[in-house]
Amino acid sequence: EVKLVESGGGLVLPGASLKLSCIVSGFTFSDYWMRWVRQAPGKGLEFIGEIKPDGSKTNYAPSMKGRFTISRDNAKNTLYLQMSSVRSEDTATYYCAKSYFDYWGQGVMVTVSS
Amino acid sequence: DVVMTQTPVSLPVSLGGQASISCRSSQSLVHSNGNTYLHWYLQKPGQSPQLLIYRVSNRFSGVPDRFSGSGSGTDFTLKISRVEPEDLGDYYCLQSTHFPYTFGAGTKLELK
Repeated sequence: EVKLVESGGGLVLPGASLKLSCIVSGFTFSDYWMRWVRQAPGKGLEFIGEIKPDGSKTNYAPSMKGRFTISRDNAKNTLYLQMSSVRSEDTATYYCAKSYFDYWGQGVMVTVSS
Repeated sequence: DVVMTQTPVSLPVSLGGQASISCRSSQSLVHSNGNTYLHWYLQKPGQSPQLLIYRVSNRFSGVPDRFSGSGSGTDFTLKISRVEPEDLGDYYCLQSTHFPYTFGAGTKLELK
């Protein structure tokens, strides 16, 4: 069974940094591109970026470039999203997704507030 | 970025009835490899999105045949026949032909 489980969210102060994790099981993690998507409360889905199977290449949506960094540890079956200089507009549920967005995690909530 | 225009925003339906959701893209979604990367998702309340249809018309594993997708180029449709209670929620289209990948704004399928 394919499973993706995000963690690391919570309440953070504006300007702070936060690192989200996504631990996967049920498939060969190192074979697949992985993606991050977010959803602000009551809003639609927004693509953040993606990372190549071996971690050698990342691509980000232009609006996300600069403050978000995606990485992975294939030995630990774990995908990461490093968020820096967070703003209130980054308040959202963050989802990791496998490959062609065929499987998604349950999401992790990040709230940016003072 | 490719803009995905999804209509309607809200779609009241009766159980057992039919629903149709449209997704139009601001440019053709035909990839240089000939494939069209247009997909449909259902997000039930409090849950993450689940894949229903991939590459226009292919039902994902376990998706009932009440769900069907069609279209080409810039114009795509998701049809749901014999609507059941578990079909209620927010539907999204996604294009992954052009980077950055973009979603439609969503259609809320609700009971009439």
